[in-house]
Amino acid sequence: GENVEQHPSTLSVQEGDSAVIKCTYSDSASNYFPWYKQELGKGPQLIIDIRSNVGEKKDQRIAVTLNKTAKHFSLHITETQPEDSAVYFCAASDSYQLIWGAGTKLIIKP
Amino acid sequence: DSGVTQTPKHLITATGQRVTLRCSPRSGDLSVYWYQQSLDQGLQFLIQYYNGEERAKGNILERFSAQQFPDLHSELNLSSLELGDSALYFCASSAQGVAGVDTQYFGPGTRLTVL
Repeated sequence: GENVEQHPSTLSVQEGDSAVIKCTYSDSASNYFPWYKQELGKGPQLIIDIRSNVGEKKDQRIAVTLNKTAKHFSLHITETQPEDSAVYFCAASDSYQLIWGAGTKLIIKP
Repeated sequence: DSGVTQTPKHLITATGQRVTLRCSPRSGDLSVYWYQQSLDQGLQFLIQYYNGEERAKGNILERFSAQQFPDLHSELNLSSLELGDSALYFCASSAQGVAGVDTQYFGPGTRLTVL
């Protein structure tokens, strides 16, 4: 079955700098890759997603890239702000289930 | 606000007891998912229902069970509770229950503490 690995587990960046979180997946049949943000005490919220027929997708300061050959995808956050502090989860879909990464705690230092 | 509601918000109980967590999906969504998140851990998929029928099962213990009712709300039943069952339990809903097509919208969660 599908397996998703996410790195790093914790990422600390200076406010205004960029942050990059990477995920790798094992099943080449996976075709949907969402990213969720979980703020303290709340449920995860979808922030961006990408499908296997697209290599890159942007939404303001957030972008996701997908490399199907290498089977990895990444979340890029530019010009980080204090409200970006949260836990970020990647996931990959092989059929009916989303397979989740372990999460990355992003800390924005003032 | 995702439109997914969960009750109760907090639940404190003793080992050996049984509890029921409730979830109402977003209006129009037919599928419900249950997840467990232990302290500082990732999301563990438990079970999925679509229009009243079980569609997928993850790492759900035999002591746990769930169902989805005709009005599409869902309940997760946890019995013979152990200390290790203390966690956040999230419900998510999606329109058609197809992971590669639908977006899953998460509720605010129920925090279960087993003493």
